Amino acid sequence: QQPVQSPQAVILREGEDAVINCSSSKALYSVHWYRQKHGEAPVFLMILLKGGEQKGHEKISASFNEKKQQSSLYLTASQLSYSGTYFCGTATPNSGYALNFGKGTSLLVTP
Amino acid sequence: DTGVSQDPRHKITKRGQNVTFRCDPISEHNRLYWYRQTLGQGPEFLTYFQNEAQLEKSRLLSDRFSAERPKGSFSTLEIQRTEQGDSAMYLCASSKTGQSEQYFGPGTRLTVT
Repeated sequence: QQPVQSPQAVILREGEDAVINCSSSKALYSVHWYRQKHGEAPVFLMILLKGGEQKGHEKISASFNEKKQQSSLYLTASQLSYSGTYFCGTATPNSGYALNFGKGTSLLVTP
Repeated sequence: DTGVSQDPRHKITKRGQNVTFRCDPISEHNRLYWYRQTLGQGPEFLTYFQNEAQLEKSRLLSDRFSAERPKGSFSTLEIQRTEQGDSAMYLCASSKTGQSEQYFGPGTRLTVT
């Protein structure tokens, strides 16, 4: 079952903050966050591993709550370039770490 | 680091024809994944390789689909007897290990008429 993302869409003014959530019905081992612009490939943003290790872009932060089986992506002081669709993908050793993606959150940053 | 490349970028084919796509992963990456993405959806996993071994196939991957990764380098995805439902963006991703982040290629957009 794919993870559930919320909200489905959000519109921000430049400089505002946003939080995108990702919930799973299964125990999480790792959560991967990607941003995709129209017609382009998903671009890696952040990976969060069970146990607290995380790796990603300096200007983007995320949390990983293993108990609640949730992850949140925090976008602060948004820029126009942040516009796109954000996907979370969950992975487990049992699936060979193949990513199971949510349906995405569409983010539009306006001037 | 040249990134993941895919070829062709676009393919238009008639129903019933066979098509083959190629993916060249980042050179030191052992893992290679194939995903399919349709409009408004997230990518869906199809299959993955650890070096040259194909270790997992999704139930989405019907008998008409076959993938190879000879010598653990580039990979090919072939679709036989294409159907209109096969129209989608086919994405390839690679990673160093299973626990590493995956880097996606630009994708091959397939249109079946």
